[in-house]
Amino acid sequence: DQQVKQNSPSLSVQEGRISILNCDYTNSMFDYFLWYKKYPAEGPTFLISISSIKDKNEDGRFTVFLNKSAKHLSLHIVPSQPGDSAVYFCAASGTNAGKSTFGDGTTLTVKP
Amino acid sequence: NAGVTQTPKFRILKIGQSMTLQCTQDMNHNYMYWYRQDPGMGLKLIYYSVGAGITDKGEVPNGYNVSRSTTEDFPLRLELAAPSQTSVYFCASSSGGANVLTFGAGSRLTVL
Repeated sequence: DQQVKQNSPSLSVQEGRISILNCDYTNSMFDYFLWYKKYPAEGPTFLISISSIKDKNEDGRFTVFLNKSAKHLSLHIVPSQPGDSAVYFCAASGTNAGKSTFGDGTTLTVKP
Repeated sequence: NAGVTQTPKFRILKIGQSMTLQCTQDMNHNYMYWYRQDPGMGLKLIYYSVGAGITDKGEVPNGYNVSRSTTEDFPLRLELAAPSQTSVYFCASSSGGANVLTFGAGSRLTVL
C-alpha cells in the first residue's frame, strides 16, 4: 500500500509557462510535506516544504499548496525554466524520527 | 563543507559477496538514513538512526545491516549479495527540524 503517490510519471511544459506537479497521500498522521529535485547521477536536493498546519508556502518561483481534506498537495513552478528539468519527488514525514516516505517521482521536462 | 559523502560511487558484486557502503556527514546531524532507489521508483527506507548507538529498521531492511558508532558515520553492510539488491543507494542526514534531508550523491550497486 503506497502511502505517497505521484500519479504522473512525466510532465512536459514550455519555457515560461506554469508547471504543476501533483501528489496524493493516504496517512493522515503526516506532519510535513516536502519536495525534492533530482538531477541524473546526483542525490535529491531539498526544494520546498510545507507544514500540515499551513495550506500554502511560497519560495521564489516555487509554491506548494496543501489540501488536507483531500490529502493532496501540489508544486507550482512559475515561470518554468529549462534548468528546472529534473525528477521531482514528493515526500511526507511525521514526528517519528523524521522518516520520510517518498512518491515514485515525476520527470519534468521544460522545453525552450 | 562536504555535507554527506558516500563511497564507493559504483560497485559490481558477484552473488553471495558482501560489502560495506560508507556514509559520512560533517554537519553534526543526529539523524541518518539509508534509502534505495530502484529504476522508476521512489526511495525506500532501509535503516535509520536517531543518534550514535541507536539504529532501527525501515521499510526494506532484509539483507542489510547498519551500525552507528559515531555521529558522523553510518555504514550500510550487505551480506550475501543478491541480484534483487541491484539499486542506487542514498545516504541522508537530518538535524530533525522540519525533517529536511540532506542526501549524498549515491552509490550505484550491481549484483551479477
